[in-house]
Amino acid sequence: DAGVTQSPTHLIKTRGQQVTLRCSPKSGHDTVSWYQQALGQGPQFIFQYYEEEERQRGNFPDRFSGHQFPNYSSELNVNALLLGDSALYLCASSLGARRYGYTFGSGTRLTVV
Amino acid sequence: AQKITQTQPGMFVQEKEAVTLDCTYDTSDQSYGLFWYKQPSSGEMIFLIYQGSYDEQNATEGRYSLNFQKARKSANLVISASQLGDSAMYFCAMREYLSGGSNYKLTFGKGTLLTVNP
Repeated sequence: DAGVTQSPTHLIKTRGQQVTLRCSPKSGHDTVSWYQQALGQGPQFIFQYYEEEERQRGNFPDRFSGHQFPNYSSELNVNALLLGDSALYLCASSLGARRYGYTFGSGTRLTVV
Repeated sequence: AQKITQTQPGMFVQEKEAVTLDCTYDTSDQSYGLFWYKQPSSGEMIFLIYQGSYDEQNATEGRYSLNFQKARKSANLVISASQLGDSAMYFCAMREYLSGGSNYKLTFGKGTLLTVNP
């Protein structure tokens, strides 16, 4: 049973560019959440997608947007990249509020230069 | 707003010994859940253990146990018989339900880097 798959694993972009990160949830999961983890910090909630809609957003600007497809996979888009967007971006999938929480992917490490 | 505090940036333990990683939390909710995750250098967050605020007993999962002291708002992780493979970052997190529904987000602490020495 495949877990959460994220692509690409690493990415280097230039300031001002746009980036798209992809996530395939664990089989059977219908909810995808995205987190940003800066170096030396804990992950921070960006937003969550359920039924192809953004359900909740954390304290992130509109440059961060997303999408969920009918097969539950998801994309995270970041426009006008800043140096401060360099981080590990984690995707997590879940099925409702289950006791054992999310299943996380290994993340995409984004470096903005 | 919920807050998780992990006061130990780094911890060292000898192989086969037990270690306790500290976590305190702050919330005004009566019902909440606390998680511990392990993050090796590969980046993946691995679920270790969960404690619900109304659980009467401390949670245990194999070598992991959670020392839950509700009045003190602490949820410390105890790892028994440490192994070299336990070397990793460890994060404490609290669940916050979203918009009154069944979905939720996690609020994480800053983590503790555990190093197991041979």
